[in-house]
Amino acid sequence: TQLLEQSPQFLSIQEGENLTVYCNSSSVFSSLQWYRQEPGEGPVLLVTVVTGGEVKKLKRLTFQFGDARKDSSLHITAAQPGDTGLYLCAGVSNSNSGYALNFGKGTSLLVTP
Amino acid sequence: DTGVSQDPRHKITKRGQNVTFRCDPISEHNRLYWYRQTLGQGPEFLTYFQNEAQLEKSRLLSDRFSAERPKGSFSTLEIQRTEQGDSAMYLCASSHTGAARGYTFGSGTRLTVV
Repeated sequence: TQLLEQSPQFLSIQEGENLTVYCNSSSVFSSLQWYRQEPGEGPVLLVTVVTGGEVKKLKRLTFQFGDARKDSSLHITAAQPGDTGLYLCAGVSNSNSGYALNFGKGTSLLVTP
Repeated sequence: DTGVSQDPRHKITKRGQNVTFRCDPISEHNRLYWYRQTLGQGPEFLTYFQNEAQLEKSRLLSDRFSAERPKGSFSTLEIQRTEQGDSAMYLCASSHTGAARGYTFGSGTRLTVV
């Protein structure tokens, strides 16, 4: 099982601020996904990154996959209260164990008005 | 398609009782996954199916746990002789072949063992 470490674990900011959360591993992934989860609900897929160095933008969210495909970051510009939630990264590896995702513990984000 | 459905949303049971959860995946998805999530943790993989075949089981899945997907459509997860440590959110997800395209998760079943 590949270990994915996310940082920070908790983040509390005010509306309008920018933030970056990180996802790191010692393993190489064929792809990496970011999900957002709200309390009492299942995670919702935000983006999949596949190519080392890839950058994807989703409105105010910018996702980057590290050149070596071992790490990723999520940057949010001008955070809004609606961005509040648990942000999870998950890696896919083409091991003999199949294609099950391994999740990090998540970054819990609180954006206050 | 209404997405991935899980039933029940909440279950409270006494220690030692058996419980069964159901998951209805997106119809065109041939892969179905079960995960468990405890407070402050990310989802932990339990098992997955491709069509009706159970292809992988995690070490977390003790002998008290069993999962089925009899016709390659819905799936059930049964926990026998529940223990307090089984209290968690049980999440079901489905995907096309290969997780690289992303999972669609259900809203989960919250199990509380008292």
